[in-house]
Amino acid sequence: AQKITQTQPGMFVQEKEAVTLDCTYDTSDQSYGLFWYKQPSSGEMIFLIYQGSYDEQNATEGRYSLNFQKARKSANLVISASQLGDSAMYFCAMRDVISSGSARQLTFGSGTQLTVLP
Amino acid sequence: NAGVTQTPKFQVLKTGQSMTLQCAQDMNHEYMSWYRQDPGMGLRLIHYSVGAGITDQGEVPNGYNVSRSTTEDFPLRLLSAAPSQTSVYFCASSYLRALETQYFGPGTRLLVL
Repeated sequence: AQKITQTQPGMFVQEKEAVTLDCTYDTSDQSYGLFWYKQPSSGEMIFLIYQGSYDEQNATEGRYSLNFQKARKSANLVISASQLGDSAMYFCAMRDVISSGSARQLTFGSGTQLTVLP
Repeated sequence: NAGVTQTPKFQVLKTGQSMTLQCAQDMNHEYMSWYRQDPGMGLRLIHYSVGAGITDQGEVPNGYNVSRSTTEDFPLRLLSAAPSQTSVYFCASSYLRALETQYFGPGTRLLVL
C-alpha cells in the first residue's frame, strides 16, 4: 500500500528566506507521480508542482522546486524567497499507475502548516 | 471554464437526515473522486469513478453512496447522516491517462448535529 509521510506539522520561515518542506513516500510501484498542493485558509486545494518517478531532473515551477531523491524515497518541496501569501497548509501526495496505464487515486500526507513571518 | 464545481458550499444536517452533495466538471475528465478532509489529517478517498457507469470504493466508503450516470456529474449521497461525517468534502477530477494531476472543487463544509 502507498503511504505518504510529512513529519513537520508546522514550520516557520522569515519572509524572503527559503524553506524546505519534507515528504517521504513508500510504494512498491516503479511508475508513480508525486504532487504538492497548497491549501490556504480559504480552503481550496491548489496544485503546485509535479514530479514523475522516471523524470531525471527535479521539477521546478517558479519559486517552487521539488528535491526528488528516488533512492531515499523523498520528495521535498523547496519554496524560495518566501512571501506572506505562502502561509498555508501544504500537502504532499502520490499517484501510481495500474497495469492498464490508468492512474490510481491520490494518497495524501497529513500536511505541513507553513507560516511566513514578516 | 468553470472547472470543478460543488454545491452546496455549506450544509447543516441533523443526525439521520439524508442529502446529496453535487459535483460537476466541464473538462471531459474520465476520472472523478470524492475526498473528505478532517482536522489534522490529509484528504482521504471516499469513492471514485473511472467513467460513466463505473464506480469503486476508496479508503473510507461506509455511509456514502455514489453514482456516475454522465461524464460530467458525480454526486455523493449520505444516506443517514452521522456526527462522524462532519467534515469538508472535496470533489476532484482528472484525465484517466497516467499521472495527471487532479483538479479540485472548492469544497463543501458539512456539519452534522
